[in-house]
Amino acid sequence: DVKVTQSSRYLVKRTGEKVFLECVQDMDHENMFWYRQDPGLGLRLIYFSYDVKMKEKGDIPEGYSVSREKKERFSLILESASTNQTSMYLCASTSDEKLFFGSGTQLSVL
Amino acid sequence: DQQVKQNSPSLSVQEGRISILNCDYTNSMFDYFLWYKKYPAEGPTFLISISSIKDKNEDGRFTVFLNKSAKHLSLHIVPSQPGDSAVYFCAAPTGSARQLTFGSGTQLTVLP
Repeated sequence: DVKVTQSSRYLVKRTGEKVFLECVQDMDHENMFWYRQDPGLGLRLIYFSYDVKMKEKGDIPEGYSVSREKKERFSLILESASTNQTSMYLCASTSDEKLFFGSGTQLSVL
Repeated sequence: DQQVKQNSPSLSVQEGRISILNCDYTNSMFDYFLWYKKYPAEGPTFLISISSIKDKNEDGRFTVFLNKSAKHLSLHIVPSQPGDSAVYFCAAPTGSARQLTFGSGTQLTVLP
């Protein structure tokens, strides 16, 4: 079974803090994704990566950056957290169009 | 501009009855569609998919129907069970890397 592991289930941060969300997959997938889920808005793509050191902006990249130094690891960075970044963050990986998701990180920015 | 739309935020059905979840899309070039299921505090899990060359795909209690002329797909769950209570998302591959674009989701509640 594919395993996508997100480092934290719950995080509470202060406005202005730098926040790192980590994601690791164990299936040697080329593509990795970061989504956020908000009520009534579904899952919105923040950034994705199709190879090491490669990254592409998704639909809502503002306020975020990413890092992919190793194939199995994809990090989402909030440079200066704001309250409107309070959300459920979901990492996913795939080698085709069927995404495998991690359990999510519920981030609260106070 | 939403390319994949789920216009019903919630649906309640009685256990044993049929659940029908709907999804509309705007781009006639979409060639593949997926349904995901999500429980609270968990990541979404893949449920069923359909290629645009088909109009129906069945997997156990789950059937997806595709109406290309109407740009509409639906997920049928028969019979519905309380464990089916979850948020259901439809999705389609879009963009240069065929990354998935999701609808806003429908919360299904199956009442015992």
